[in-house]
Amino acid sequence: GAVVSQHPSWVICKSGTSVKIECRSLDFQATTMFWYRQFPKQSLMLMATSNEGSKATYEQGVEKDKFLINHASLTLSTLTVTSAHPEDSSFYICSARGGGENQPQHFGDGTRLSIL
Amino acid sequence: GQNIDQPTEMTATEGAIVQINCTYQTSGFNGLFWYQQHAGEAPTFLSYNVLDGLEEKGRFSSFLSRSKGYSYLLLKELQMKDSASYLCAPLDSNYQLIWGAGTKLIIKP
Repeated sequence: GAVVSQHPSWVICKSGTSVKIECRSLDFQATTMFWYRQFPKQSLMLMATSNEGSKATYEQGVEKDKFLINHASLTLSTLTVTSAHPEDSSFYICSARGGGENQPQHFGDGTRLSIL
Repeated sequence: GQNIDQPTEMTATEGAIVQINCTYQTSGFNGLFWYQQHAGEAPTFLSYNVLDGLEEKGRFSSFLSRSKGYSYLLLKELQMKDSASYLCAPLDSNYQLIWGAGTKLIIKP
């Protein structure tokens, strides 16, 4: 149980392109979803937290107009990187949590984004 | 501030036992998670401790001492596939997970 699907797993695109990443909880209802970014050999960096049907809460330093998050249902959240540039190249990972706030986060497989 | 301290890297032999220690300082505490992360992959949930003591789950066990701000992950009968980073992540008073850089575990034959 507790499977989270994330796609695409790999994106290579030109600078200025917008990229959309989907995160789905397949066998449970995710009341909260999280979006992380991770650079090589560094710790996970939380970008934003979203609850179904409400606006995402962004961490300090994360531009909400650049990283658009939509959490339209209890099983789906999307992250759109708008007008991506090479410095946005990173490993983006979503996680989903069902039930109470002390429940574990279950992670998708991540999306490796490379902007040329 | 909030802080997590784990060894950066550890090496162990296949078939042996290894203990990965973690000390933490957080604003409030609502439990502690251990995750495994293979290189280039997303983290996988291993265990959750909220009360003091040892939680055993197959080859993996996790221990917590809230008064000492200390936890460890014990891995028995090590296998080559256990080579990964192990992340200690406490949950603070706002139920926010605090992530450190983790411990890279290298298993040698």
